[in-house]
Amino acid sequence: QKEVEQNSGPLSVPEGAIASLNCTYSDRGSQSFFWYRQYSGKSPELIMSIYSNGDKEDGRFTAQLNKASQYVSLLIRDSQPSDSATYLCAVNRDYGGSQGNLIFGKGTKLSVKP
Amino acid sequence: DAGITQSPRYKITETGRQVTLMCHQTWSHSYMFWYRQDLGHGLRLIYYSAAADITDKGEVPDGYVVSRSKTENFPLTLESATRSQTSVYFCASIQGGQETQYFGPGTRLLVL
Repeated sequence: QKEVEQNSGPLSVPEGAIASLNCTYSDRGSQSFFWYRQYSGKSPELIMSIYSNGDKEDGRFTAQLNKASQYVSLLIRDSQPSDSATYLCAVNRDYGGSQGNLIFGKGTKLSVKP
Repeated sequence: DAGITQSPRYKITETGRQVTLMCHQTWSHSYMFWYRQDLGHGLRLIYYSAAADITDKGEVPDGYVVSRSKTENFPLTLESATRSQTSVYFCASIQGGQETQYFGPGTRLLVL
């Protein structure tokens, strides 16, 4: 059973701090990794994707991937109250097969305090 | 620019009734997906479709039926609703060759 694990939180950080969200996955063959943000009562939206070991930066967001440790993380710099949401880690379930067949973690709830 | 829409947005039904949730996308994306989201379980894939007339089971397909006669539509039917199917249902789509899933606004279903 392929699994994606996240700490459910809530993770509380002060405004302006760095928020660090972590995710581990069970299948060593996984090749595609995603972070989705979901505001309360809304649908998930993609904020980052990463495919290679190392860091990928996009504005205040940095995704980090370590395939040897089967670990993906998301760093949010200069956290804002508007970043308060649940962050979902997702891993491609069926590499080499159908696209977009993702396994989602249960999500980490982030709260940024003004 | 309608994107991906779901209807109804809210639905209350009774155990044993048949319910159909609609999903419509205007992008002509080839892949479409149905998820359910429950507290404690996160998002779980019910069914997906790679193209019109091609569907496949996901992680939790029991009790659900899908069809895809047209690329833009992917209805999900609960043949005989049970209380355990009370959930928020999300439809998503993706273009072939891409991996960004675009989600619809969700349907909140309550089965009494």
